[in-house]
Amino acid sequence: GENVEQHPSTLSVQEGDSAVIKCTYSDSASNYFPWYKQELGKRPQLIIDIRSNVGEKKDQRIAVTLNKTAKHFSLHITETQPEDSAVYFCAARRNSGYSTLTFGKGTMLLVSP
Amino acid sequence: NAGVTQTPKFQVLKTGQSMTLQCAQDMNHNSMYWYRQDPGMGLRLIYYSASEGTTDKGEVPNGYNVSRLNKREFSLRLESAAPSQTSVYFCASSEALLDSPLHFGNGTRLTVT
Repeated sequence: GENVEQHPSTLSVQEGDSAVIKCTYSDSASNYFPWYKQELGKRPQLIIDIRSNVGEKKDQRIAVTLNKTAKHFSLHITETQPEDSAVYFCAARRNSGYSTLTFGKGTMLLVSP
Repeated sequence: NAGVTQTPKFQVLKTGQSMTLQCAQDMNHNSMYWYRQDPGMGLRLIYYSASEGTTDKGEVPNGYNVSRLNKREFSLRLESAAPSQTSVYFCASSEALLDSPLHFGNGTRLTVT
């Protein structure tokens, strides 16, 4: 089955800095890669996703890049704000058959004012 | 439109007791899921239901059973709770198994003593 590794496990930045979270996956057939944000005590919520026919996707201050050859994808947050502090999860899945999402173990991002 | 609703929010059980976690969604989604979240372990899939009338095991199904009661409701049962089942449980739904984002409930924090 799929295995998703996520790094780093914790990340501390100053407000205004950029933050990058990286994930690698093992199944070369995976072609859907979402990112979820979970604020303390809340539910995970989808913030951005990318499919394998696209190399990069942006939405305001967040962007995701995908390198299918190397089997890794990354989340980039620019101009970080304290409200970006949360746990971020990457995930991967094939878009065929009875495939379900496999999540990484999460990255706790702390943005200090 | 409440989205995904889970009950209860908190529960304390003694080892060997049983209980059922309830989940309902009002988005007319076909697929539903149960995840558990443990510190440092990310989100692990327990069981899922691709569509009404079907259920399948996920990554960590041992000690659990599920019932897809109808299109809206998907329950998770612990027949004989164990301390290792202390966790936060999230129900989620998606429009379809593939190519659809997950919508999570607010979670149930379960402690087994």
